[in-house]
Amino acid sequence: DTAVSQTPKYLVTQMGNDKSIKCEQNLGHDTMYWYKQDSKKFLKIMFSYNNKELIINETVPNRFSPKSPDKAHLNLHINSLELGDSAVYFCASSQEDYGDEQYFGPGTRLTVT
Amino acid sequence: DAKTTQPTSMDCAEGRAANLPCNHSTISGNEYVYWYRQIHSQGPQYIIHGLKNNETNEMASLIITEDRKSSTLILPHATLRDTAVYYCIVTDNDYKLSFGAGTTVTVRA
Repeated sequence: DTAVSQTPKYLVTQMGNDKSIKCEQNLGHDTMYWYKQDSKKFLKIMFSYNNKELIINETVPNRFSPKSPDKAHLNLHINSLELGDSAVYFCASSQEDYGDEQYFGPGTRLTVT
Repeated sequence: DAKTTQPTSMDCAEGRAANLPCNHSTISGNEYVYWYRQIHSQGPQYIIHGLKNNETNEMASLIITEDRKSSTLILPHATLRDTAVYYCIVTDNDYKLSFGAGTTVTVRA
């Protein structure tokens, strides 16, 4: 049983398209996150949701919009994709009160051509 | 605004203990030390964390100096599967992990 799962694993698309990445966790956690890992391998937080409410929104272009339909899901929608959006996107989750003990998904490698 | 300093890389022999150092001289009283690792092409994996006392779990041990300005992650019997990038992170449980460059650990047979 995969604790934190993401779909798709790979996503290749053209500039200007709109795409979504989905994340689901079956750990019963209250908080979910999106991270971006660029080509230089630095991992940076983008968003965090706690009980479906946005609690962290780092400096991310408005083209990125997270959506949490319920506690177990956090999707990332990206509008008007740009070349610089190419990266690996990781979803993670944690229990409330243990916010920094996070469990990560396998990642989605997004390539924009 | 890096809060931690780690060596860029280190090698370790399979079956031996791997000692990974981390400096965090500006750590404040309410900040914890967390360790994560990222095996190639996988998501980061939580290893261990501590505040003041040394900690041990099934994966590793964490030794924090008395002044809390540095710590060491110990993998007691390194295996080839422990080859990964190891991240030392200082945080006050604000749900916001800041990953630096980490230490690339290569375990050699």
